[in-house]
Amino acid sequence: QTVVTQEPSFSVSPGGTVTLTCGLNSGSVSTDYYPSWYQVTPGQAPRTLIYSTNTRSSGVPDRFSGSILGDKAALTITGAQADDESDYYCVLFMGRGSRVFGGGTKLTVL
Amino acid sequence: QVQLVESGGGVVQPGRSLRLSCAASGFIFNTYVMHWVRQAPGEGLEWVAVIWFDGSEEYYADSVKGRFTISRDNSKNTLYLQMNSLRVEDTAVYYCAREAARNWFDPWGQGTLVTVSS
Repeated sequence: QTVVTQEPSFSVSPGGTVTLTCGLNSGSVSTDYYPSWYQVTPGQAPRTLIYSTNTRSSGVPDRFSGSILGDKAALTITGAQADDESDYYCVLFMGRGSRVFGGGTKLTVL
Repeated sequence: QVQLVESGGGVVQPGRSLRLSCAASGFIFNTYVMHWVRQAPGEGLEWVAVIWFDGSEEYYADSVKGRFTISRDNSKNTLYLQMNSLRVEDTAVYYCAREAARNWFDPWGQGTLVTVSS
């Protein structure tokens, strides 16, 4: 069974930089998995941040960036702000009829 | 603007059925692949199902296969999720989402809450 792994939680200081990762329980994440990233705030619809590994969605500030780091997809937030405190999810394309979300990372800014 | 609006959620007993709808507007609905994604209380996002732009193909997560059916009516710009044999663990907010490009879910609807409880 495919499991997409994310750090359960992360903490960053205001103005700091944090990198969240998205891996596979077996194998490496590459651009072939078209990783995308979403910010989920309670009571709101998920917000798209990054798609196709490193393309920012419309309106997303450039302090959010995506990449492949080693064998994982990564979301980097540079100059973290208080309203970046949220849950972040990645999702991988596992084939024509399958997508798998990671378990999500709860980001705290303090 | 591009918009998705879900409806049909509610409280239902285990074993019963429910049908969710997702009304699309602001884009050419019949040219996009559509998905359902859910989030159980206190849990993460879970992909549920996908349907091709013309309804010719549909796929499901193992957790709902054989119980849920995704469908669409392109003449009404509406996506559906028929949920049968509901279980307590199906309790979640259900979102519909457009696949704007490969593995890019955008936009998402605001979600509709399904509670399965006796």
